Amino acid sequence: QVRLVESGGGVVQPGRSRRLSCAASGFVSRGYGMHWVRQAPGKGPEWVAVIWHDGTKQYYSDSVRGRFTISRDDPKDTLYLQMNSLRVEDTAVYYCATEDGDFSHMGSWGQGTQVIVSS
Amino acid sequence: QSALIQPPSVSGSPGQSVTISCSGTTSDVGSYNRVSWYQQSPGTAPKLIIHDVTLRPSGVPDRFSASKSGNTASLTISGLQAEDEADYYCTSYRSDNTCVFGTGTKVTVV
Repeated sequence: QVRLVESGGGVVQPGRSRRLSCAASGFVSRGYGMHWVRQAPGKGPEWVAVIWHDGTKQYYSDSVRGRFTISRDDPKDTLYLQMNSLRVEDTAVYYCATEDGDFSHMGSWGQGTQVIVSS
Repeated sequence: QSALIQPPSVSGSPGQSVTISCSGTTSDVGSYNRVSWYQQSPGTAPKLIIHDVTLRPSGVPDRFSASKSGNTASLTISGLQAEDEADYYCTSYRSDNTCVFGTGTKVTVV
């Protein structure tokens, strides 16, 4: 059974950095691309970033490109999202999800970790 | 990156059918069969219910079906049930190697 557990959320001041983690279990995570998706309070989900199954490619939304970095450590079955220069508008629940096709769908999701950017 | 456009809300009585549209462009929905649909209940993560335009993952009831025509994708829920009350989001791959979500539709069972 696929299990994804995000961690690392919390309250952070604008301009500071935070690293989120997503621990995978129950499947061979290195065989899957992985996404980060966020959802601001009362809003719909917003795609943030994807990393290829082999880590060779990463793509980002316009709103985070240049500030966020997605990476993976396959021996640890862990996905990361390094978030720099955080803004108030980055406040959201951050989910990790598996890419189960050819950049076509997110099959399994974690429960999310909340990030609040506030002074 | 503009979101795909969905109606804010649809409603129906138990047993009826409802259809949710998802309007994109030639850069996303219109050019790729990489459209998926997600169901989200309050306080929970989205759940995949349709992928690659028409395919249902194992365990998703067959009353959920979907299609695409031109730049617009559609999700139909037939035989609406109380448990189908939730928010629904479409997504599509986009030509700039990104993914875009729809604006979301709240389904109410009246």
